[in-house]
Amino acid sequence: AQKVTQAQTEISVVEKEDVTLDCVYETRDTTYYLFWYKQPPSGELVFLIRRNSFDEQNEISGRYSWNFQKSTSSFNFTITASQVVDSAVYFCALSEARNYGGSQGNLIFGKGTKLSVKP
Amino acid sequence: GAGVSQTPSNKVTEKGKYVELRCDPISGHTALYWYRQSLGQGPEFLIYFQGTGAADDSGLPNDRFFAVRPEGSVSTLKIQRTERGDSAVYLCASSLNSGLGPVSYEQYFGPGTRLTVT
Repeated sequence: AQKVTQAQTEISVVEKEDVTLDCVYETRDTTYYLFWYKQPPSGELVFLIRRNSFDEQNEISGRYSWNFQKSTSSFNFTITASQVVDSAVYFCALSEARNYGGSQGNLIFGKGTKLSVKP
Repeated sequence: GAGVSQTPSNKVTEKGKYVELRCDPISGHTALYWYRQSLGQGPEFLIYFQGTGAADDSGLPNDRFFAVRPEGSVSTLKIQRTERGDSAVYLCASSLNSGLGPVSYEQYFGPGTRLTVT
């Protein structure tokens, strides 16, 4: 069965602190994709990153970085020097990409981690 | 360019009524997805269209839910005999997924329709 677990329900930090959001996934497929989305108070889901199962290189984009470790089935997200505008709910998601019948691509989401950054 | 749009943004209906929710995907995206998000939860998959056909409707909770995409662009999610438990935000997303695997592109989401059944 496919599953995404975000064990941290809520995190509160003070501006300029670093924060790591955890994501653990389960899948039987060898080819899959992992995603992070941000859902600010306005409600619209914003795509942040996509990673495939064959690429374990860490990625950095500005203050954001992602650590993908297949050995522990984790895809953690770190925000460096957090800002008030980072306050949002962050979702990790899994998509399986099957060889037979093509990719369906529907996303399996975790329950999200609500990040509050206080000034 | 224009993103995914959804109408209406809010819909309040009485128990037992019929509702239609509309989604206009990003131009050129053949893949379209519907999800439902309850308060405090992540979105849950409902149905996936590749072009005009429903490639996967395994997430639809029961036969009161139905969706169409007759011309391969705009999609309508239809809910018959609404129940209070149907209250949620209904999200639509589109992507470059072609149905030819194995690859899965990111999905771009619309602002959602908040459905309230009284």
